[in-house]
This record gives sequence, C-alpha cells and structure tokens, in this order.
Amino acid sequence: AQTVTQSQPEMSVQEAETVTLSCTYDTSESDYYLFWYKQPPSRQMILVIRQEAYKQQNATENRFSVNFQKAAKSFSLKISDSQLGDAAMYFCAYRSDINNDMRFGAGTRLTVKP
Amino acid sequence: NAGVMQNPRHLVRRRGQEARLRCSPMKGHSHVYWYRQLPEEGLKFMVYLQKENIIDESGMPKERFSAEFPKEGPSILRIQQVVRGDSAAYFCASSPPVPGSIGNTIYFGEGSWLTVV
Repeated sequence: AQTVTQSQPEMSVQEAETVTLSCTYDTSESDYYLFWYKQPPSRQMILVIRQEAYKQQNATENRFSVNFQKAAKSFSLKISDSQLGDAAMYFCAYRSDINNDMRFGAGTRLTVKP
Repeated sequence: NAGVMQNPRHLVRRRGQEARLRCSPMKGHSHVYWYRQLPEEGLKFMVYLQKENIIDESGMPKERFSAEFPKEGPSILRIQQVVRGDSAAYFCASSPPVPGSIGNTIYFGEGSWLTVV
C-alpha cells in the first residue's frame, strides 16, 4: 500500500509571511493524484489544492501552491501571505488512479502568529 | 463537501454497546470511504466501499468493526461491543464512480464523534 509521510508535526509562520509544508510519498504507480486538505478547529476536512501526477505544471490556488517533484516523490505546499485563518492541521493525501484508494499523512499543525 | 451527510454527529455509548454511524454520499457518488481520527492524530483509513461491495478493508480492525454500503440507503459503519479506545471522530467521504477522471477528489462529511463512557 502507498504511504504518505509528513515529517513536520508542527510549523509556525508570521502573519503575511510564507511557509512551506513538506510531504513525501511512496508508490510504484505512475498515475495518481495528490491533495492537501486543511482541518481547522471545526474538524471539517477542506480541500486546499490537488495535483494530477501526469501534469508537470505545479497546481496553484490563490495563495496556495505546490512544488511537485515526481521523481523525488515529493509534494510540498507553499502558503504565501499567511493569514490567521490559515491556522489549522494540514494533511497531505495520495489517491491511486487504479483503485481510488486514498491515504493520508499524519498531518502538520500550522500556527500563524499575528 | 457539505453534500456528504453523516449522522449522528455525536454519539455516546457505554462500554459493550453497539455504535452505528451512517453516511449518505454526495449525489451521484458511488464510492464511500471511512476514516478514523483519534485526538491529536491524523486520519487513518479504515474501509473503502462501492455499492454492495467492499473494495478495501485493510484498515478495519479484525473484530467488532464492520461496514456496508447497500444498494439502497446510506453506508453504515458498525462497531460492536464498544470500548473506550473506540472513542474518536469517524469521517466518511465519497467520490464519483469513474476512476481517473479529472478532478477525481473525495469529499468529506463533517464527521461523527463517538464517545464511549
């Protein structure tokens, strides 16, 4: 089974600054999807951004962008101009294109300092 | 993601009782996933179902836990003879039926919180 590793249990960033959250994964598949989900204190899982493995271009959603390195099996999330509302747990996730299986990393707790 | 409906949102059970958690996927979705989240931990995959089929149950404990997704009605996660260690948030998610489709994303419900006393 695929595994997803988030090596940073906690990160902090100053408001308006930029922060990068790391994620690596292990797979033998060539086609798959990668996601970042945000879980605020409300505990709801909110999709932040997604990336198709067959696309070389890094996905971008407003202040959120990814650095997808397929050969290195790395999928980091960059948050620019951090806002207080960005404070949450962030989960990296991998989804197989073969069987729709989806696995999550352990999460990174992001704190935003005013 | 508001389209995935889970109930109850909060459930309290005494040790030894049964807990049933229900999940109605988004309209048009035929794949359902169940995840468990212990306090201060990440989401742990439990089971992946399609209508009337269990696709992957590698994350399900061998005993006391079962899941189904019948042809009609919601998916049910059933925990028999609950113990305190079962206290957790249980998240359901759903996805469209076509693997590999663009935007192939799963959408989460708001979770069901089980407390075993």
